[in-house]
Amino acid sequence: EVQLLESGGDLVQPGGSLRLSCAASGFTFSSYAMIWVRQAPGKGLEWISVISGSGGSTYYADSVKGRFSISRDNFKNTLYLQMNSLRAEDTAVYYCATALAVVVVAAPHYWGQGTLVTVSP
Amino acid sequence: DVVMTQTPLSLSVTPGQPASISCKSNQSLLHSDGKTYLYWYVQKSGQSPQLLIYEVSSRFSGVPDRFSGSGSGTDFTLKVSRVEADDVGVYHCMQGLNLPLTFGGGTKVEIK
Repeated sequence: EVQLLESGGDLVQPGGSLRLSCAASGFTFSSYAMIWVRQAPGKGLEWISVISGSGGSTYYADSVKGRFSISRDNFKNTLYLQMNSLRAEDTAVYYCATALAVVVVAAPHYWGQGTLVTVSP
Repeated sequence: DVVMTQTPLSLSVTPGQPASISCKSNQSLLHSDGKTYLYWYVQKSGQSPQLLIYEVSSRFSGVPDRFSGSGSGTDFTLKVSRVEADDVGVYHCMQGLNLPLTFGGGTKVEIK
C-alpha cells in the first residue's frame, strides 16, 4: 500500500525558512517522480514542484521559483521541500504526492495527508 | 499555463439524483500519444484529494461505477449517476498535459 506522510509544517515569520519532509513507503521510491501541491485556506489546489526519480530534474511553479527547493533522499525514501523567504501567501496545507510514474509530467494518483505551514508575524 | 474552468461553483443534490460538473480548458489536452490528460479528484472535508478519474474516463482503483467521466479536447464532464451522502465534498478537475499542472477552482457538492 502506498503511504506518504508529510511533516515539518509550523508557524514561521515572514522571511523565514522551513523544511518539509515526506516519508514514503509501499513502493520503489527511487523509481518515481514526486510532487508537491499546496492548498491555501479555503482556496483551490496549486501544483508547486516536481522532482524526477533520480533527483536530477526539478521543476517549479513561478510562484515559488528561486525561493523553494525540492530534493529527495532515495536511501531514506524521503522527499523534501526547502522553503526560504517565506511570505504570507505561502500559508497553506502542503501535500506530497506521486503518480507512480517515471515521467515528471504526471498527475498525482496518491496523496499524503498534508502538513500546515502558517506564515505570520 | 493551461487555465482550467469549472462550473458550477456549487451544487446541491437530492440523494439518488444525478449530478454533473463541467470542466473546460483553454487549450486542448490531447497529447501526441493519443491520450487526453484530464483528471478528476474529490476532496472530502478535512482530507487530502483522492483521484476519481484519470485520462478523461478511466475510474481509479476502488471508485464506484456511479462516477463517470467524458469529454474531449477542451470540454469535459464528471457525472455521478445517483448521488449518495458520502459523495459530499469538493470536486477538482486537473490537466496533466503540461507543467505547471493546473487545477480548476473546484465544485462544492452538497446534499439537499
